[in-house]
Amino acid sequence: ETGVTQSPTHLIKTRGQQVTLRCSSQSGHNTVSWYQQALGQGPQFIFQYYREEENGRGNFPPRFSGLQFPNYSSELNVNALELDDSALYLCASSLIAGGQSDTQYFGPGTRLTVL
Amino acid sequence: GESVGLHLPTLSVQEGDNSIINCAYSNSASDYFIWYKQESGKGPQFIIDIRSNMDKRQGQRVTVLLNKTVKHLSLQIAATQPGDSAVYFCAEILTGGGNKLTFGTGTQLKVEL
Repeated sequence: ETGVTQSPTHLIKTRGQQVTLRCSSQSGHNTVSWYQQALGQGPQFIFQYYREEENGRGNFPPRFSGLQFPNYSSELNVNALELDDSALYLCASSLIAGGQSDTQYFGPGTRLTVL
Repeated sequence: GESVGLHLPTLSVQEGDNSIINCAYSNSASDYFIWYKQESGKGPQFIIDIRSNMDKRQGQRVTVLLNKTVKHLSLQIAATQPGDSAVYFCAEILTGGGNKLTFGTGTQLKVEL
């Protein structure tokens, strides 16, 4: 177990709706990264939060947004859901110290289905 | 664009044999590489990592080799067990790349009894 938790485990939404996914990072970590994993593919980087600020973003539209809280937990929000947003959403926590990246540890993921 | 790729989508091995999973990367600016194992319905699990200033690193039953000359990474699993059956991903972090992981498409390892 990595100590990274995500909620909910599964979620079903309809097209056009909005969704919020949550992630609690491992104790001692200050960074949370979010990834989208379509079936049969590798995870794709959405964005990363470090000390409550966005610290890098992948090729995802603005309707994907996020937050990081003072306790380093994080939320991923997706507006105007599309069918192609159906995927496993993974968060990973890590420690950035001295400007050097460290290992990212993943949570179990949230399976989002958009109908 | 730059990418991390895997040579074989599926690898079948006999229980007790050694497994070798290969990965090619194209960005010479990558400075940190990680192997993850993902079982069905679960998140990726860290196996072993290596930084670009090393060419070999060993863990428990696993060894990662890095050949920067040909931009090649491999994961060796000794005495493969049924519990090793999973999809294996290599991932890279680029220097100055914002600490984001770039994953390949994965290799399915199947362990036959």
